Amino acid sequence: ILNVEQSPQSLHVQEGDSTNFTCSFPSSNFYALHWYRWETAKSPEALFVMTLNGDEKKKGRISATLNTKEGYSYLYIKGSQPEDSATYLCAPHWANNLFFGTGTRLTVIP
Amino acid sequence: DTAVSQTPKYLVTQMGNDKSIKCEQNLGHDTMYWYKQDSKKFLKIMFSYNNKELIINETVPNRFSPKSPDKAHLNLHINSLELGDSAVYFCASSHLGQGYGYTFGSGTRLTVV
Repeated sequence: ILNVEQSPQSLHVQEGDSTNFTCSFPSSNFYALHWYRWETAKSPEALFVMTLNGDEKKKGRISATLNTKEGYSYLYIKGSQPEDSATYLCAPHWANNLFFGTGTRLTVIP
Repeated sequence: DTAVSQTPKYLVTQMGNDKSIKCEQNLGHDTMYWYKQDSKKFLKIMFSYNNKELIINETVPNRFSPKSPDKAHLNLHINSLELGDSAVYFCASSHLGQGYGYTFGSGTRLTVV
């Protein structure tokens, strides 16, 4: 079982603020790093899959970067909106499975 | 047109019973998974299965068994249910390989009384 840590555990931001959170994971035997967005009462939804050191992916106002050498990834949200409120999960891909962190719970206050 | 569908959505049952949760995907994926969301809201892998290999998380009790009649279905069968089995169980599917995102079902909330 991989040790995946996400910080902060929860975060409140004002609408319009930009924010970011961190995922750290063991850098050895790295295959891929996934980010998911999980709204309450729904199922996790894939945001990004990153495989290469230095990868940067973007989807609208959300972007992510990856550092496989030191074992971390950042997720950025620019100009947060209330609909961005959700739990954001990262998951390294290892031994044909995803191992999820506990997530960062983001609440955007209108 | 639901991509990954689980049934039932809610399941309340007594201790000692045997129950199954069904999962079906219509995405043409070759790998399916079962995850358990524990009391701390943490998603833990239970099984992954494709047409070649079943990978079992060794911490899963052998009362839990996956059954796959074909590659579009992976059902979860649980024998002799215990109170501690109460949780939300999520099915997911993907193409095999680390570059592919998973598509999750909407979850089954199991309550053992």
